Formats: sequence, C-alpha cells, structure tokens
Amino acid sequence: DIQLTQSPSFLSASVGDRVTITCRASQDISSYLAWYQQKPGKAPNLLIYAASTLQSGVPSRFSGSGSGTEFTLTISSLQPEDFATYYCQQLNSYLRTFGQGTKVEIK
Amino acid sequence: EVQLLESGGGLVQPGGSLRLSCAASGFTFSSHAMSWVRQAPGEGLEWVSAISNSGGSTWYADSVKGRFTVSRDNSKSTVFLQMNTLRAEDTAVYFCARGGIRVGSTSCFDYWGQGALVTVSS
Repeated sequence: DIQLTQSPSFLSASVGDRVTITCRASQDISSYLAWYQQKPGKAPNLLIYAASTLQSGVPSRFSGSGSGTEFTLTISSLQPEDFATYYCQQLNSYLRTFGQGTKVEIK
Repeated sequence: EVQLLESGGGLVQPGGSLRLSCAASGFTFSSHAMSWVRQAPGEGLEWVSAISNSGGSTWYADSVKGRFTVSRDNSKSTVFLQMNTLRAEDTAVYFCARGGIRVGSTSCFDYWGQGALVTVSS
C-alpha cells in the first residue's frame, strides 16, 4: 500500500503568514494527489486535485505543487477561516490513503 | 444541489453488525463511484471502501476487508456499508463521499455527507 507522510503534523502561524505543508509518498504517484481542509465537526472539503488544480470556489491563496513523491500545499496569506486541519490523499491506487493530517493553529 | 445523507449509525456491541446507508440527491447517482471514509475520535481520515458506479467493482482497506461489504442501489440513489464483526477500533464517524473528479484511474471526493457516528462498545 502507498503511505503518505505529512510534515509538519502541527503548525502555529499568524494571520497573513505564508504557510507550506509537505506530503511525501512512499512511491511515485505521478500527480495523483488531492488536498482537503477539515474544520472541527465538519466533513472535509476538497481544495486541490491532480496535485495543482484548484477546485471550483476555493480561494486563489491556496496552491498545490509537486509530482512523483513530494508535494506541497501553500497558503499564500493565512486568513482566520484557514485555521483547520489539512490532509493529502493519494489517487494513484484504488486504496486511496490519506496522510495523517496537519493542524494549522493560531499563534 | 448535491446532497449526501448518511443514516444507520449507533451503538453496537463488539462482534455485532450495523448497516450504514447514504442517500444521494442532486446528481446522476449511477454515473459516480462512491466511497466510505471514517474518522476515529480525535484522529485523522481513513479511507475504508469504494464501489464503482455500476456496483461491479469494490475495494476495501485491509483493516476492514472480510468484515465490511459495500453495495449500492442505483434505482434508489443509495450506497450501503454493511459492517460485521465490529471491533472497538471501528468506532468512528463514517462519511460517504462522491467520487466526482477523475484523476488518473480513480477519483477524488468533491462532495461529502455530514457523517454517521458508529460506537462499538459493551
């Protein structure tokens, strides 16, 4: 099975900061990766798919990059509503595993 | 408007069974694969199972293989998760999700239900 490792697991940042989250895959997954945002008590929300394609309605301060085994999610200027947990998900196999999550909290 | 509504969660004893349902509306259900994802209390997301749009193909995480069965009724726009031989570690909120955007040979999840809580405890 393909394993995904996110770093960091926890991130403390201020409004306006540039934030980068990394997701590493245990094998080459091409660009078959998605990113989700989840707020407490809510279902996840799709942000980015195919590593870098922004889902409709998602603010342009979110961006994704990478291919192969290393991927990044960047928030260019953190907003109050962005404090949440972020997950990557590999789409290379039908067993669509998630990373362990990165919690972004207010500094 | 796309909606996914889970039902069937609850408290069950270890070794027991439960069937979750996810009723879909607002889209052509038979055109989309569907998945189940769970989240244990305070933990991350775990993909559990998926079923193709026709129901002809199914996939399972190793943690549930042989105990859980996914199925669908396209005439009722509903996907099911039959959970047998439940264990304490199956305690989680179970989300159904639509495979809405094709990426490679699979799809990512563009719509999710609100979740159904399953608690396995004596």
